[in-house]
Amino acid sequence: ETGVTQTPRHLVMGMTNKKSLKCEQHLGHNAMYWYKQSAKKPLELMFVYNFKEQTENNSVPSRFSPECPNSSHLFLHLHTLQPEDSALYLCASSQEGGGARETQYFGPGTRLLVL
Amino acid sequence: QQQVKQSPQSLIVQKGGISIINCAYENTAFDYFPWYQQFPGKGPALLIAIRPDVSEKKEGRFTISFNKSAKQFSLHIMDSQPGDSATYFCAASPDSNYQLIWGAGTKLIIKP
Repeated sequence: ETGVTQTPRHLVMGMTNKKSLKCEQHLGHNAMYWYKQSAKKPLELMFVYNFKEQTENNSVPSRFSPECPNSSHLFLHLHTLQPEDSALYLCASSQEGGGARETQYFGPGTRLLVL
Repeated sequence: QQQVKQSPQSLIVQKGGISIINCAYENTAFDYFPWYQQFPGKGPALLIAIRPDVSEKKEGRFTISFNKSAKQFSLHIMDSQPGDSATYFCAASPDSNYQLIWGAGTKLIIKP
């Protein structure tokens, strides 16, 4: 595996379900990100982790819970989601620091549908 | 002030033509302007980036033009090819400690 991988690629869940999205980066980077991508809207940054520590939480509802056990893995735990949470969830990584000047390397995303 | 406005939302260009995507910003503190390219089923990937100390940056068929006084920057794709069909995002940031502010994207289709 190379680059940034995400599993699952597609997920359908009910509003009462609990599921997790997984991201793994094979680039030796120290910063990892979760973004929400909705059609015709700017990418919404959700969380940033830098050296396993959360450095950014952009007022994300508590039904989204991130976890970063090490610099290579990032999870997004989902529970009690709403239909408006349906979107493409992208994971990204960058070399270090998580600053805007660093090139971000994105995974292919998880397409989430909440029924 | 923290927005980046991108236009058009979608664009169809004939093969061999020039594709032009525009972005505008309000925050004069922005000083880093990348463009990302996203193919269907893939995540965005950095295409080209510019700092405001230059008015133009070219990489192959892709050129960023930057107009600091107008607070606008644009992506030009010369000799557009069907393989350039993708969604393009502009972004901006005031400095390295802030996260990118993204445009809403332009879906580009190059017709053979």
